[in-house]
Amino acid sequence: GAVVSQHPSWVICKSGTSVKIECRSLDFQATTMFWYRQFPKQSLMLMATSNEGSKATYEQGVEKDKFLINHASLTLSTLTVTSAHPEDSSFYICSAKRQNTEAFFGQGTRLTVV
Amino acid sequence: QQQVKQSPQSLIVQKGGIPIINCAYENTAFDYFPWYQQFPGKGPALLIAIRPDVSEKKEGRFTISFNKSAKQFSLHIMDSQPGDSATYFCAASREGSGSRLTFGEGTQLTVNP
Repeated sequence: GAVVSQHPSWVICKSGTSVKIECRSLDFQATTMFWYRQFPKQSLMLMATSNEGSKATYEQGVEKDKFLINHASLTLSTLTVTSAHPEDSSFYICSAKRQNTEAFFGQGTRLTVV
Repeated sequence: QQQVKQSPQSLIVQKGGIPIINCAYENTAFDYFPWYQQFPGKGPALLIAIRPDVSEKKEGRFTISFNKSAKQFSLHIMDSQPGDSATYFCAASREGSGSRLTFGEGTQLTVNP
């Protein structure tokens, strides 16, 4: 299957700072990328959908000014958590897909805000 | 309408047993039903998927059974092994919606040696 890589795998940041998570499709061009959030022992909750070159579509209840998503190229999307607070600590997962194919998931990023 | 209900929440079987995980959906527009396996600290990995035009699909030890009229689908794992211990998620999507996946709540499977 295709490879989707997230970086970093884990990050610890201080409350009030911003942190950027990268999601790259390594061997294919992704027309669409998705960002999910997962709390311990819970399911994946879709945060936003992004298409290359256009603004991300956020799910209801997700603050677009807090979770900035940029999909600047067909192989890279970034999620920036701005002014992070301890309640933003979570496991963030991206997935990427081409038209009419399955979605491939990254390995996830564990964010801890202290 | 967008929910996918999954059961059981947790499941313990002995090696060689056949765990069965069930999912039910409401939205009849869903046309793609994948199952994912997730190990702790990792992203989910696609196991097997089915579309509504077939009632069963097998890939290796994994089988999906699909009941369109009941809006239910299930995952069977044949000859389960301790290495299958993981969390399993069903999901559903509608191609026309850009393939946004709606996930079930997850089932934590433990296969004892």
